[in-house]
Amino acid sequence: DGGITQSPKYLFRKEGQNVTLSCEQNLNHDAMYWYRQDPGQGLRLIYYSQIVNDFQKGDIAEGYSVSREKKESFPLTVTSAQKNPTAFYLCASSIHRLNGYTFGSGTRLTVV
Amino acid sequence: GIQVEQSPPDLILQEGANSTLRCNFSDSVNNLQWFHQNPWGQLINLFYIPSGTKQNGRLSATTVATERYSLLYISSSQTTDSGVYFCAVRQGGSEKLVFGKGTKLTVNP
Repeated sequence: DGGITQSPKYLFRKEGQNVTLSCEQNLNHDAMYWYRQDPGQGLRLIYYSQIVNDFQKGDIAEGYSVSREKKESFPLTVTSAQKNPTAFYLCASSIHRLNGYTFGSGTRLTVV
Repeated sequence: GIQVEQSPPDLILQEGANSTLRCNFSDSVNNLQWFHQNPWGQLINLFYIPSGTKQNGRLSATTVATERYSLLYISSSQTTDSGVYFCAVRQGGSEKLVFGKGTKLTVNP
């Protein structure tokens, strides 16, 4: 079945550490996105990528980094510069900017 | 930027009741989706509906783009319908899908 796989489902990070969240899709979608969700809130865009080797900042990119070396993969690194990283992170993809989005099942990141 | 407002913020129903969720947006859009977020956090795409009406089983949605609103109808609600319903829109020329804050639906047995 085609879909988006995010791993791990739960992640704990010590203060000062960088962590990388994985997002893989086998939908042959060109565009991929990372969103952050805080409790009781909607989703906010961190980064997006329309094609391989290209990506753009969203609304809350500070403290995060991404790469897009393969069409199928769009990993997100939460760096130590992100002051409040505890949140639920969702990855999405779409075949084209005018089409609907498909979301992965998310990663819950907690700073301990 | 575009604003997305959903109402009501919270809704409690008895099983079998019908409901209507509303999404207002402040500017023209070329993409509107309704999502259901289940208790485990998974966002399920319900409808891709920039305009017109669609139905899928007990759920249907209508978007009136000229008046900048969309409605999600849930008929004969079931406990499994509980969760948060999000409306999200994208404007022409923008890469960003903008989300409302959601409607939290609780269906009691």
